[in-house]
Amino acid sequence: DQQVKQNSPSLSVQEGRISILNCDYTNSMFDYFLWYKKYPAEGPTFLISISSIKDKNEDGRFTVFLNKSAKHLSLHIVPSQPGDSAVYFCAARSSRAGSYQLTFGKGTKLSVIP
Amino acid sequence: ETGVTQSPTHLIKTRGQQVTLRCSSQSGHNTVSWYQQALGQGPQFIFQYYREEENGRGNFPPRFSGLQFPNYSSELNVNALELDDSALYLCASSLAGGGSYNEQFFGPGTRLTVL
Repeated sequence: DQQVKQNSPSLSVQEGRISILNCDYTNSMFDYFLWYKKYPAEGPTFLISISSIKDKNEDGRFTVFLNKSAKHLSLHIVPSQPGDSAVYFCAARSSRAGSYQLTFGKGTKLSVIP
Repeated sequence: ETGVTQSPTHLIKTRGQQVTLRCSSQSGHNTVSWYQQALGQGPQFIFQYYREEENGRGNFPPRFSGLQFPNYSSELNVNALELDDSALYLCASSLAGGGSYNEQFFGPGTRLTVL
């Protein structure tokens, strides 16, 4: 049972345009949602997070939107740059007995075309 | 500031063998989490260690075990290797306590192939 779903395995966008990556979740107990970016042969790198009590968080070109009623979040990258080409993972945090654990989606491969 | 390092980079084992993977946490971090990333999948939480004790576990059998040392470095041990254990194993360190979100910093991973 996949608690975090990224239904688009890949996305291609022209340089300068907006990239929108989507993520759906099923567990209402998640308290933080995060986006990680991964290049080949490297570990995931934290990009941006949002608390479950917020609906938007912005950091430079990256904005994450959270729609709790729809259990949906999205990452907007504006403007997209060729260096943004990577696999993007949506992750959600849950806690149990003082331990925090991340549940990841399968990832979306973003290709930004110059 | 030293980032998270993992060793070895690649490893090939045969079914039934045992393997130990190592992780050095980022300086100042006291919590380490291990993840398994199979091909085409997202990372899956194996377990977390805090102050040398297991502090949370995902849906992995007991043949997956770990250790955390006083310097906060960590090991992941897998016994009786199975073909399905072939994956990228990621270690992530963080600083527990305080703050609203404690970012996990990932290492580059160890690629394990079981033949």
